[in-house]
Amino acid sequence: GAVVSQHPSWVICKSGTSVKIECRSLDFQATTMFWYRQFPKQSLMLMATSNEGSKATYEQGVEKDKFLINHASLTLSTLTVTSAHPEDSSFYICSAKTTNEKLFFGSGTQLSVL
Amino acid sequence: SQKIEQNSEALNIQEGKTATLTCNYTNYSPAYLQWYRQDPGRGPVFLLLIRENEKEKRKERLKVTFDTTLKQSLFHITASQPADSATYLCALITGGFKTIFGAGTRLFVKA
Repeated sequence: GAVVSQHPSWVICKSGTSVKIECRSLDFQATTMFWYRQFPKQSLMLMATSNEGSKATYEQGVEKDKFLINHASLTLSTLTVTSAHPEDSSFYICSAKTTNEKLFFGSGTQLSVL
Repeated sequence: SQKIEQNSEALNIQEGKTATLTCNYTNYSPAYLQWYRQDPGRGPVFLLLIRENEKEKRKERLKVTFDTTLKQSLFHITASQPADSATYLCALITGGFKTIFGAGTRLFVKA
């Protein structure tokens, strides 16, 4: 199946700093990528839909100025958590949609903000 | 309101038996429904997709049914193995390919 690479797999940062997470589709082009966050034992919550070359579409309640999404190429989308705080600590996962309507997920990034 | 429900309680079964997981939804008209497997600390892995005009889909030991009248999907794992132990997520794909996930059901297969 298609491969989606997500980096880093875990990151620890100080409160107030910014963290960038990368999501790459390695063997296919993804015009659409999605970003989710997941708290322990809870479902994945869609944060935003990232379309190549255009602004991301954010879900209700997600601050677009805090979670900056850039989808500059057909194989790369980035999520930057700006001025991170402890409540932003979570598991962040990206996914990319293939042309045959399947979603492939990255392995996730565990963010811990101290 | 829109809702996807999966058994929040863990499912414990004996190796070799068939595991059946349930996904119910309300106030959606999904074009597709997907099932994923998720292991702790990892992203979900795609297993099966079933479209609204399909009743059943199979892949090796996996079977998915989709009843749009009952608004329910059943996910079966036959001849279950301890390696099948994981959380299984049901996901609905709505217009614009927005994917909405259920909370998942934890499956434990005992040897």
